Amino acid sequence: AQKITQTQPGMFVQEKEAVTLDCTYDTSDPSYGLFWYKQPSSGEMIFLIYQGSYDQQNATEGRYSLNFQKARKSANLVISASQLGDSAMYFCAMRGEETSGSRLTFGEGTQLTVNP
Amino acid sequence: EPEVTQTPSHQVTQMGQEVILRCVPISNHLYFYWYRQILGQKVEFLVSFYNNEISEKSEIFDDQFSVERPDGSNFTLKIRSTKLEDSAMYFCASRLSLALGTDTQYFGPGTRLTVL
Repeated sequence: AQKITQTQPGMFVQEKEAVTLDCTYDTSDPSYGLFWYKQPSSGEMIFLIYQGSYDQQNATEGRYSLNFQKARKSANLVISASQLGDSAMYFCAMRGEETSGSRLTFGEGTQLTVNP
Repeated sequence: EPEVTQTPSHQVTQMGQEVILRCVPISNHLYFYWYRQILGQKVEFLVSFYNNEISEKSEIFDDQFSVERPDGSNFTLKIRSTKLEDSAMYFCASRLSLALGTDTQYFGPGTRLTVL
């Protein structure tokens, strides 16, 4: 079974600054995938970034990067140059190998507020 | 850009009534999912569907729930006799394949179900 822990229920950041959202995970699968999704107040789930457990480099997508530390079982999301539109709930999720099923397991989420 | 669509966006029903939530996954995707999110809580997996059958289901997905792919495009979730605790946002998701690296699940905008 997989478990995702997001220990920051809420985070605040000033516009144009960088922010790190924490995510730790637990799994017994030797290979797995880690995901971050953004959920604005309108409710939809927007895929942001993906990191495979065997990827040698940290994933990046525009202003989003994933600080993947496999030994620590952490997959923190870094948002650079925060914008007001980044204010939303952010969920970390993972899936294990096919034999463990393909479901995503989500964390509790972190509510990010970007202040002007 | 192709996207997952869901209808209706909001459904209000009386306790004990049947509801059908509809989804159109991305056209070349092979794997389909339903998740739910009770207000203020994390996203929970309900069921996955592949090759016209359920491949995995959670303990939430009891006999009151069923899924169907009635034609080549739609994917439906039926709740036979709704309960108050079924009130939640229901998300449909689809993915292209299971191979790690191409296995991102893309979510629809959700259907908010309110059971009175």
